[in-house]
Amino acid sequence: DTEVTQTPKHLVMGMTNKKSLKCEQHMGHRAMYWYKQKAKKPPELMFVYSYEKLSINESVPSRFSPECPNSSLLNLHLHALQPEDSALYLCASSQGTISNIQYFGAGTRLSVL
Amino acid sequence: TQLLEQSPQFLSIQEGENLTVYCNSSSVFSSLQWYRQEPGEGPVLLVTVVTGGEVKKLKRLTFQFGDARKDSSLHITAAQPGDTGLYLCAFPGYSSASKIIFGSGTRLSIRP
Repeated sequence: DTEVTQTPKHLVMGMTNKKSLKCEQHMGHRAMYWYKQKAKKPPELMFVYSYEKLSINESVPSRFSPECPNSSLLNLHLHALQPEDSALYLCASSQGTISNIQYFGAGTRLSVL
Repeated sequence: TQLLEQSPQFLSIQEGENLTVYCNSSSVFSSLQWYRQEPGEGPVLLVTVVTGGEVKKLKRLTFQFGDARKDSSLHITAAQPGDTGLYLCAFPGYSSASKIIFGSGTRLSIRP
């Protein structure tokens, strides 16, 4: 099973809403990632968790709050987003021990109104 | 300025034609990866090249790592509509849980 599952697939939210994106993998991977991808652009790294600890934060605004409850789950909590935050949010995972081969989920398409 | 520049940015060709996508940098890399991202999906790793001058084949796709390990190319023979997508070269970093640096991307459209 090389699947990274993201829910929901689509999300529409207002600027005052609070919502969460979820990501799950059962490959025993110890590193998990959040990326943001705007249309026709490559993915941009937001956060990296290694062994359930936040190891990289790419200067992401505090309205995005990541959480790693356990080694299989990764959440991204959203609050007071702006319309420019509308994008495809991708989750990925990797072994975290040897190589940096990352497996990506299908993403959550987020629209902020 | 993008560390990894890809060309062309966009390519639309007829089914059956051949094409080459380039990934260039002024930096030397220990390895480079190529990903394909289909519409509505996340990127999928196609190949990792690690040795200067290395050539890897994946069915109709041929990947080459430059001798100086500063560039890479992807050649597709007899393109099919299923090859349509965003092709990304990437540097996977030096450690096992590090930031992937993606290239600027090439959007490929194959017309039936």
